[in-house]
Formats: sequence, structure tokens, C-alpha cells
Amino acid sequence: EVQLLESGGGLIQPGGSLRLSCAASGFTLNSYGFTWVRQTPGKGLKWVSGISNSGTTYYADSVKGRFTISRDNSKNTLYLQMDNLRAEDTALYYCARWNGCGDLWGQGTLVTVSS
Amino acid sequence: EIVLTQSPGTLSLSPGERATLSCRASQSVSNYLAWYQQKRGQAPRLLISGASSRATGIPDRFSGSGSGTDFTLSISRLESEDFAVYYCQQYGDSPRTFGQGTKVEVK
Repeated sequence: EVQLLESGGGLIQPGGSLRLSCAASGFTLNSYGFTWVRQTPGKGLKWVSGISNSGTTYYADSVKGRFTISRDNSKNTLYLQMDNLRAEDTALYYCARWNGCGDLWGQGTLVTVSS
Repeated sequence: EIVLTQSPGTLSLSPGERATLSCRASQSVSNYLAWYQQKRGQAPRLLISGASSRATGIPDRFSGSGSGTDFTLSISRLESEDFAVYYCQQYGDSPRTFGQGTKVEVK
């Protein structure tokens, strides 16, 4: 079955770090670009970061310098390293297979930044 | 960044009725516009890309139209599984942005 499965979310204090993972199955990661999108009840869906199939990376201004997107094609896994987390990063984080828009999404992993 | 404004916020309709959802962009995105459906507790599902191309497996009662700044998602005859929240997303410019959503609820 073609799917994406996120993991790594949790409760973290402000200033802390988390690494989200997104494992792909049923297809080969290296043929596609990917994106992380987050969702909050109040602010809806927001594009966070993307990586092309060639490895070029992109970031929203709000996370630039704090988040790092990467991919390990040998493990068929996408990552989002999140450092210096803030309360406003609290959200449900989705990974999506991306070619301008997302044709395949994971189920999401919840990140809560709170003391 | 490009702001997408969806209207109405909520659409109250009965099964079998036609739904018409609007998405307006603050500047032209050509036809780089996608539509998603999201049900409670689920991830978004791609319905339409390129403003009017249905994604794989999407029933033909869903159709998209428009270009430039004004776009429409139509559902010809609502079925029970179509009651959900719908989002538009532009990929004509960076950063990619989403509309705030339209909820289609049972009247």
C-alpha cells in the first residue's frame, strides 16, 4: 500500500528540539519532492518546508534558521529537525508527497510546545 | 505572500443538492490552484490540481474551474461522504498558501 507515516511528535518545552520522521512505503522516496504542512485549529493549514527530488530545500520565513528538512533515500524516510521551538509551533504536522500540491498525505503527528 | 480567500465560510445543503465553493487569490496564480477535502480526524485529500484536473480516483461529480484570481469547486450532487471541509491551495508563487476553508454541512 502506498502511504506515508509520520512519527516523532510530542510535548516539548519552549526552546527544545524534536525530530519528525515520515516513512514512505509502497513507492520510492527519491523520485519525488516532499513537504511538511502544519495545521492548527485557529490558523488552518500552513506550508512549513519542502524538499525537491534533487535535494533543494525551502522554508517558510517563520521557521527559517530553526527547522531543517532532509531525506534519507536509503531509508525511504523524510525528516524535519525542529530546533528552538516556540509555543506558536504547536500544531499537527503532516508530511505530503509534493509536486506543487500534495497528492499523498500522512496521518499527521502532533507537536505541543508548552512549559 | 498570496492570500487565498474562500467563501462562504459555511455552506448548509442537503444531499443531492449542488455545492459551489469559491476561492479568490490576492494576485494571479495562473492555473496553479489545488482543492482538498478534509474530513474530521483525517488528513487532507487532493481533489483537483491545475485548477480543473481531477486527482486519481476522484468522482466526476467534483469539478474545478477558473484561472488567474477566481476559482470555483463544484460538487454536482452532494453525497453523504462529501460533507467535509474544503481548502484551496495555490502553487503559483512561494510560499505556497492555503485558503481558510469552507465547511459543507448537512442542512
